[in-house]
Amino acid sequence: EVQLVQSGAEVKKPGESLQISCKVSGYSITSHWIAWVRQMPGKGLEWMGIIYPDDSDARYSPSFQGQVTISVDKSISTAYLQWSSLKASDTAMYYCARIGSGGFYSNGLDVWGKGTTVTVSA
Amino acid sequence: EIVMTQSPATLSVSPGERATLSCRASQSVSRRLAWYQQKPGQAPRLLIYGASTRATGIPARFSGSGSGTEFTLTISSLQSEDFAVYYCQQYDNWPLTFGGGTKVEIK
Repeated sequence: EVQLVQSGAEVKKPGESLQISCKVSGYSITSHWIAWVRQMPGKGLEWMGIIYPDDSDARYSPSFQGQVTISVDKSISTAYLQWSSLKASDTAMYYCARIGSGGFYSNGLDVWGKGTTVTVSA
Repeated sequence: EIVMTQSPATLSVSPGERATLSCRASQSVSRRLAWYQQKPGQAPRLLIYGASTRATGIPARFSGSGSGTEFTLTISSLQSEDFAVYYCQQYDNWPLTFGGGTKVEIK
């Protein structure tokens, strides 16, 4: 069974750094792009960026470029989303998801993690 | 950036009735359009990709149509488990973008 298992909820203060993770199983992580999607409280889905684990090619949506870093450690089948200095406005649910076969111009997000809640508050 | 506009924002439907959700793209996305369902407290689930292909395990009452800039998701006979928020997403052009969602609620 294909699964994306995300790390647990985080509560942080503004200015702190954070890395959340997404461990995949049931398939080779190097065969599919992985996406990160933000959902702020009570709001819709926002596409943050993607990474191709085979070569760590990462692409960012303009709104998130420079704000977060997406990385991967294919040896442990895990993708990461990282902040160097959190803001209160980063409070949200963050989902990782697998892009279906053929790449990000060929398919939707066919398997999702359950999400990681990040709360940033003084 | 391609803007995806979904309408209506909220759709009130009785169980057993048909629901028709719309998604419009600000420029052509060909048929590179996906639909997702999200229930409260859950991650989204892929329903449709390629504008009209059902994802694995998705019931036949869900159907997608359209191309270019106009797309439709139809739920032929709403079941209790179908009341949720539905999102469209284009994957024709970077950055990939989602619509704002349509909430399907019980009438």
